[in-house]
Amino acid sequence: QKEVEQDPGPLSVPEGAIVSLNCTYSNSAFQYFMWYRQYSRKGPELLMYTYSSGNKEDGRFTAQVDKSSKYISLFIRDSQPSDSATYLCAMTPLLYNQGGKLIFGQGTELSVKP
Amino acid sequence: EPEVTQTPSHQVTQMGQEVILRCVPISNHLYFYWYRQILGQKVEFLVSFYNNEISEKSEIFDDQFSVERPDGSNFTLKIRSTKLEDSAMYFCASSEALMKNRVGYGYTFGSGTRLTVV
Repeated sequence: QKEVEQDPGPLSVPEGAIVSLNCTYSNSAFQYFMWYRQYSRKGPELLMYTYSSGNKEDGRFTAQVDKSSKYISLFIRDSQPSDSATYLCAMTPLLYNQGGKLIFGQGTELSVKP
Repeated sequence: EPEVTQTPSHQVTQMGQEVILRCVPISNHLYFYWYRQILGQKVEFLVSFYNNEISEKSEIFDDQFSVERPDGSNFTLKIRSTKLEDSAMYFCASSEALMKNRVGYGYTFGSGTRLTVV
């Protein structure tokens, strides 16, 4: 089983739609959960981060973590064409001796049509 | 906003040649990383670097790879004898701390160097 699984899409939605992006993971040691946005041929840009379980909201973005199900989500409300990008989930364990490395999902390609 | 700067943006090299990818991390950051992304695949961890030594490396980071912080600002990744399968985007990242107040994970990535081995 892969450590982090993410549907690569592509996902196409009309402008204004609510977008739901998801990842599942297998390593129960993961404690920090992040969502990155990546435009073509650019580096990942941090959108949201969450420590352990719960919800976090930032503007049009909401991140949810359900550690019991090993499932994380990112919701985008009122999606805009400028949200078109690849969205990567990433996670890392709490332990210091893990070196702080991030384990990424495959990335979901999102296209928001005007 | 502070940035991680990578040069060059694109490098083409012949198989078997040595390449050095360069990065200037954010100035007050203490932890440095290299990741790579083969076209169409996941972003993969290569190595982390702290206090002038490697703190962790992946199985990808074999003897042909090395990292160095030659001065107070640059962080380099050297690939000694490039292979076709080394063709990828290489991302440098830096972070202020591994865990900052347990509420954030302040990784900043550069825009990457696209390495093409021919």
